[in-house]
Amino acid sequence: AQTVTQSQPEMSVQEAETVTLSCTYDTSESDYYLFWYKQPPSRQMILVIRQEAYKQQNATENRFSVNFQKAAKSFSLKISDSQLGDAAMYFCAYRSRGGSEKLVFGKGTKLTVNP
Amino acid sequence: NAGVMQNPRHLVRRRGQEARLRCSPMKGHSHVYWYRQLPEEGLKFMVYLQKENIIDESGMPKERFSAEFPKEGPSILRIQQVVRGDSAAYFCASSPQGFGNQPQHFGDGTRLSIL
Repeated sequence: AQTVTQSQPEMSVQEAETVTLSCTYDTSESDYYLFWYKQPPSRQMILVIRQEAYKQQNATENRFSVNFQKAAKSFSLKISDSQLGDAAMYFCAYRSRGGSEKLVFGKGTKLTVNP
Repeated sequence: NAGVMQNPRHLVRRRGQEARLRCSPMKGHSHVYWYRQLPEEGLKFMVYLQKENIIDESGMPKERFSAEFPKEGPSILRIQQVVRGDSAAYFCASSPQGFGNQPQHFGDGTRLSIL
């Protein structure tokens, strides 16, 4: 079974600075998808960014980018020019290609943005 | 375009009662997933349904929990004879197809409290 590990329960960053959230996963599959979701205090689950394992190029979405290292099974999220609205729980998630399509989540990292 | 709608937003039940949680997927989405989030934890997969079919229920507790997604109407997650340990946030997600490159869109969740 696949597992996702987020080793940083909490992180903090100064407004306008850059922060990187870590995520590692364990799988025997070669093709899969990886996601970062944001959960603000309102509890919504908001998709931040996604990566297809067969693509070597790292995904980017505006201020958000990932560092995908397939051999190391690592999928970190970089937030540039941090804003107060970025404060939230961030969850890394894995999804198989084919099969059940369920998401496997890590335990999350709580990000605080200091003004 | 309405998102995934979950109701109620908050549900309070006494031990031994039944809880019914509803989820209406996004328009055009025929795949529904239920997840449970315990305090300070990530989301854990419970069940994956398509219209009138349960595709994967590997995350469902063996007893007291059931789910359905009828041809007409919302998906229902039913918990019979609730216990304190059922207190959690329950999230529903939907996708247009069961393909991994289609991200799951989440509802705002139902927070279940057991007295």
